[in-house]
Amino acid sequence: GAVVSQHPSRVICKSGTSVKIECRSLDFQATTMFWYRQFPKQSLMLMATSNEGSKATYEQGVEKDKFLINHASLTLSTLTVTSAHPEDSSFYICSAIDSSGANEQFFGPGTRLTVL
Amino acid sequence: GESVGLHLPTLSVQEGDNSIINCAYSNSASDYFIWYKQESGKGPQFIIDIRSNMDKRQGQRVTVLLNKTVKHLSLQIAATQPGDSAVYFCAENIRNSGYALNFGKGTSLLVTP
Repeated sequence: GAVVSQHPSRVICKSGTSVKIECRSLDFQATTMFWYRQFPKQSLMLMATSNEGSKATYEQGVEKDKFLINHASLTLSTLTVTSAHPEDSSFYICSAIDSSGANEQFFGPGTRLTVL
Repeated sequence: GESVGLHLPTLSVQEGDNSIINCAYSNSASDYFIWYKQESGKGPQFIIDIRSNMDKRQGQRVTVLLNKTVKHLSLQIAATQPGDSAVYFCAENIRNSGYALNFGKGTSLLVTP
């Protein structure tokens, strides 16, 4: 089946620094990817829709200047958490839509971000 | 706003028994539903899906039932095994809203020997 990878799998950073998380579709092309955030013992919340070659669409309440999304190719979307603070500590999960026809959605393994 | 919710936050079953996880949704425009399994520290894993033009779909050991009249969705797992222990989420896709999913709160399933 289709595989989506995320890198890094976990990252610890100091407050005020920026962190970049990569989401890759390994064996298919994805014009659309999604970024979700999941706090402990809670559900996945959609943050933004990442569109290849165009600006991301952010959900209400998600700061676009804090969570920078770049979808520069059909297999890669990046999420950069700028000036991270402890409240940004969370599990970030991406998903990718297989553009080849079935439009199936595949999830990545997630990235655990801890901001000290 | 409208959201997908679950009736039971935790469910404990004995190995070999059948499990039923429930989900309620409120948006009548939802036309596609998916059940996911999430193990600790991992991303969601697709289990089974169903479109709104169906009321039942079966997979290997799993069955999803959809009752559009009362906006209710359930996941039935037959002969539950220890490896089924995880958090289960239902998710909905709303017609004409793209492919983004709205996830329910989740049910933690614990299978005891």
